[in-house]
Amino acid sequence: GAGVSQSPSNKVTEKGKDVELRCDPISGHTALYWYRQSLGQGLEFLIYFQGNSAPDKSGLPSDRFSAERTGGSVSTLTIQRTQQEDSAVYLCASSLGGGLQPQHFGDGTRLSIL
Amino acid sequence: GESVGLHLPTLSVQEGDNSIINCAYSNSASDYFIWYKQESGKGPQFIIDIRSNMDKRQGQRVTVLLNKTVKHLSLQIAATQPGDSAVYFCAGLGGSGGGADGLTFGKGTHLIIQP
Repeated sequence: GAGVSQSPSNKVTEKGKDVELRCDPISGHTALYWYRQSLGQGLEFLIYFQGNSAPDKSGLPSDRFSAERTGGSVSTLTIQRTQQEDSAVYLCASSLGGGLQPQHFGDGTRLSIL
Repeated sequence: GESVGLHLPTLSVQEGDNSIINCAYSNSASDYFIWYKQESGKGPQFIIDIRSNMDKRQGQRVTVLLNKTVKHLSLQIAATQPGDSAVYFCAGLGGSGGGADGLTFGKGTHLIIQP
């Protein structure tokens, strides 16, 4: 079965541009998460979607970051006016129902801001 | 708040030996923990999880131990193989680093398997 799919796998862009990162969760998983991993660091939680509920945005680092999840499946993470400190690997995970369920990760999008 | 950290950044073991990776957490209200394995260029891969109402859980060649008294978590890998070389992360549910259901991750231990 297909795992979590993320695209693009790599993205290089200039400072100040907007970027969109896409995540396709595992089929049937109602919970979707975005994390950020800076070089050599652990993962930092960004945002969580569960079904049709309002997302938990408590981890978003600034108002330049936003995310959508349309139709309860695919999610897009958007970063506006990118800064060099936004360079990181952005990882998406999904789980069957949220809560005490294992989160399964995609391979991430490596974002480099020049 | 929660912080989850690992005691050693690098652990080197001989192939065939057992390895133990340790993790401490600060939030006594955390009720769920997961160990992940991450290889270079890949996303974290789920290894094993444990809920706070348990103190031990076993998988294939792996065992997770949870000591709630001292807020300590460990991952034991039996008979290590070259394919076990990776960075291992512990993660806990709840705490200042995550949202209601966002995991808080430690910084990782790099496990190196020596031939």
